[in-house]
Amino acid sequence: ERVMTQSPATLSVSPGERATLSCRASQSVSSSLAWYQQKPGQAPRLLIYGASTRATGIPARFSGSGSGTEFTLTISSLQSEDFAVYYCQQYHNWPPITFGQGTRLEIK
Amino acid sequence: EVQLVGSGGGFIQPGGSLRLSCAASGFTVSSNYMGWVRQAPGKGLQWVSLFYTGGTTYYADSVKGRFTISRDNSKNTLYLQMNGLRAEDTAMYYCAKFSRMGYFDYWGQGTLVTVSS
Repeated sequence: ERVMTQSPATLSVSPGERATLSCRASQSVSSSLAWYQQKPGQAPRLLIYGASTRATGIPARFSGSGSGTEFTLTISSLQSEDFAVYYCQQYHNWPPITFGQGTRLEIK
Repeated sequence: EVQLVGSGGGFIQPGGSLRLSCAASGFTVSSNYMGWVRQAPGKGLQWVSLFYTGGTTYYADSVKGRFTISRDNSKNTLYLQMNGLRAEDTAMYYCAKFSRMGYFDYWGQGTLVTVSS
């Protein structure tokens, strides 16, 4: 089972600044990596798949990069609606489907 | 427009059973992979089960032998039968459409299951 580890657990950033979130896999997952955003009281929403492809309707300020075991989600200029919890998920080898524990992005 | 509407959650005593439903619209459940993901209060996401178009099913080890995923094509609905419920099954349960590549591309709003005596 591939274990996904996200860092940091909490990230404090000011609106308009850049946020960089990390996700590490215990074994290579190639580019089979997705990112989700979850706001309080809401279901998760797919942001990125294939490590770097934005899902339908996702703004260009969200970008993903990486391959193998190291991945990054970057939000170029934070908007108020971007403060949420972000999860990564590997799909290189399933089942099981494994998620990271999440990074909470909060307003500084 | 793709929509998933979950229902069937509630308060149940340990050892009890519940059946969750997920009514889909905007696409055909039988032509797509589907799944369930849960989230314990204040915790992260945990995959529970998958249902492939051909009928193959998969389960997380934590629910294997207790939970059963199924679908009703005539109702375009996905189900999760949960038996032998434990306190650690307490969570919001989300149904989701699962892309054949392996990620969840659409999610329902969730239905809350609370297992407590």
